[in-house]
Amino acid sequence: GQNIDQPTEMTATEGAIVQINCTYQTSGFNGLFWYQQHAGEAPTFLSYNVLDGLEEKGRFSSFLSRSKGYSYLLLKELQMKDSASYLCAVIPGDDYKLSFGAGTTVTVRA
Amino acid sequence: GAVVSQHPSWVICKSGTSVKIECRSLDFQATTMFWYRQFPKQSLMLMATSNEGSKATYEQGVEKDKFLINHASLTLSTLTVTSAHPEDSSFYICSARGLAEAAYEQYFGPGTRLTVT
Repeated sequence: GQNIDQPTEMTATEGAIVQINCTYQTSGFNGLFWYQQHAGEAPTFLSYNVLDGLEEKGRFSSFLSRSKGYSYLLLKELQMKDSASYLCAVIPGDDYKLSFGAGTTVTVRA
Repeated sequence: GAVVSQHPSWVICKSGTSVKIECRSLDFQATTMFWYRQFPKQSLMLMATSNEGSKATYEQGVEKDKFLINHASLTLSTLTVTSAHPEDSSFYICSARGLAEAAYEQYFGPGTRLTVT
């Protein structure tokens, strides 16, 4: 099976920076995704990495190292609305199926 | 942007009955739809992949006779939970991918909360 690990919970202060790590061991690799999911809602797309390096998109950045099987999602200038679960997902094969990690619940405190 | 809808958004049914959940792509043709299930405080687990005009392929451990999937058109896939039991209570989410989409693009529906009493 596919193995995707990320921390269960993280807490940070409003205005701060939080980094969510994700490590993966999968049968193949065709891209890594980060999604944000608020309670009771569907996931929303944040980022996609298929090549090594850093992708920046506003307050969110995502990094990938394929040789290390490692990615992180960086959230800057945290806002209360960023309190959510963040899901790391990998497409191992050519069939576009996503394998998800268990998710990291981020709580932003005032 | 691409929009995927699900209906109903929530449903309560009695044990032993069947429930149908619809997943629609509103502004694009979805050649492939994926059905996920999410239990509280857990991640999404892929149940099956549905391709238009062909039989769905189920992930290991998912009963195909219990979770009937139909993808009759390029904009609609349905998941029917047959003879539902309380352990089937979960959040069911679909996602859709179209022909014109970039390889990675997959759009999620808002989810359906199923409670079986």
